[in-house]
Amino acid sequence: QSVLTQPPSASGTPGQRVTISCSGSTSNIGSNTVNWYQHLPGTAPKLLIYSNNQRPSGVPDRFSGSKSGTSASLAISGLQSEDEAVYYCAAWDDSLNGHVVFGGGTTLTVL
Amino acid sequence: QVQLVESGGGVVQPGRSLRLSCAASGFTFSDYALHWVRQAPGKGLEWVAIISYDGRNKYYADSVKGRFTISRDNSKNTLYLQMNSLRVEDTALYYCARVLLGTSWSTLDYWGQGTLVTVSS
Repeated sequence: QSVLTQPPSASGTPGQRVTISCSGSTSNIGSNTVNWYQHLPGTAPKLLIYSNNQRPSGVPDRFSGSKSGTSASLAISGLQSEDEAVYYCAAWDDSLNGHVVFGGGTTLTVL
Repeated sequence: QVQLVESGGGVVQPGRSLRLSCAASGFTFSDYALHWVRQAPGKGLEWVAIISYDGRNKYYADSVKGRFTISRDNSKNTLYLQMNSLRVEDTALYYCARVLLGTSWSTLDYWGQGTLVTVSS
């Protein structure tokens, strides 16, 4: 049971817009910034969105992030087949002397 | 370019120990906090531990606290994870990752390819 809650799966057709939610609490998302990672099988996870809504260099602007209260979301517009991956949200949690918490991951399927 | 290369994984019996290493290059190692993150077979990412840039501050997941120790040698640009009293549930691919400067400690901007630890009798 992950501290951050994500839907286990999401899907969309090419060109569509998809959103993935991430729900936490006041000790993590409610008081710290949220990051999103993209993980393709057999590769290292990749930082996709940091500080709630910032894109690292090289990440297409099709990817966007937002945060409100104790929840966050990742939006992918103009869905492409190469977006098929597992997406994780993460945040620092201030409880228990501090630690990082990940969501359980959302598997995105491009139909 | 930034590189993180993990090593030291393998097959070990329950209760035994293993030390993982992560060799870094392409950046000023001593400026960055570093993490260990793992992924058990068929499961999601699980954070393991973090160490500050100077090694003074360390935090651990409850699942490994008291058994694992994170450390670093800034003169060798290397991160370590000493794993004692290993359990079957510690079986996973272990990644080291770097914290993006100036951001939350949960912002991991570069990851290694991982080293596989299998705990089995």
